[in-house]
Amino acid sequence: EVQLVESGGGLVQPGGSLRLSCADSGFTFSTYWMGWVRQAPGKGLEWVANIKQDGSEKYYVDSVKGRFTISRDNAKNSVFLQMNSLRVEDTAVYYCFTEFRAYWGQGTLVTVSS
Amino acid sequence: QAVVTQEPSLTVSPGGTVTLTCGSSTGGVTSRHYPYWFQQKAGQAPRTLIYDTSTKHSWTPARFSGSLLGGKAALTLSGAQPEDEADYYCLLSYAGPRVFGGGTNLTVL
Repeated sequence: EVQLVESGGGLVQPGGSLRLSCADSGFTFSTYWMGWVRQAPGKGLEWVANIKQDGSEKYYVDSVKGRFTISRDNAKNSVFLQMNSLRVEDTAVYYCFTEFRAYWGQGTLVTVSS
Repeated sequence: QAVVTQEPSLTVSPGGTVTLTCGSSTGGVTSRHYPYWFQQKAGQAPRTLIYDTSTKHSWTPARFSGSLLGGKAALTLSGAQPEDEADYYCLLSYAGPRVFGGGTNLTVL
């Protein structure tokens, strides 16, 4: 059974940092692109970042470039999202996503507020 | 970055058929965009219905199908049920970046 379990969300002040993790199982993690998707309250889905199988290519939505960094550890079947210089508008549920049959995690809430 | 367009809202009668579409600002959608379709009900995480244009998940009801139609990706619902009322999102791949459409709110009425 494929499982993606996110962790690391929480409340942070503007300008702060958080690191999201996603632990995956049930598929050959190292052979698929991985990504992070977010959904702000009452809004649609937004692709945030994705990373190639070997980590050699990474892509980001314009609004997070220079602030967020996606990475992966294939030995630990995990993908991460380091979020720096957080803004109020980054408040959202963040989902981990695998391109292995397009499985999703259940999401972790990030709230940026003073 | 590319812009992916969907109908903001659609209404279908119970038992009826409706087609949701997904277009790209860069031109026609092809199989190389690997179109995905997701369903999201209120308060729930998104659920994948279709990937790679037309491949269904084990949980995807048979009444949903994916295709390419007139230069767009399409999700067709044949025989709509009340439980199909939800938001539907498409996702397209652009070699590296991925882009979501704005979503279609589907009402079954």
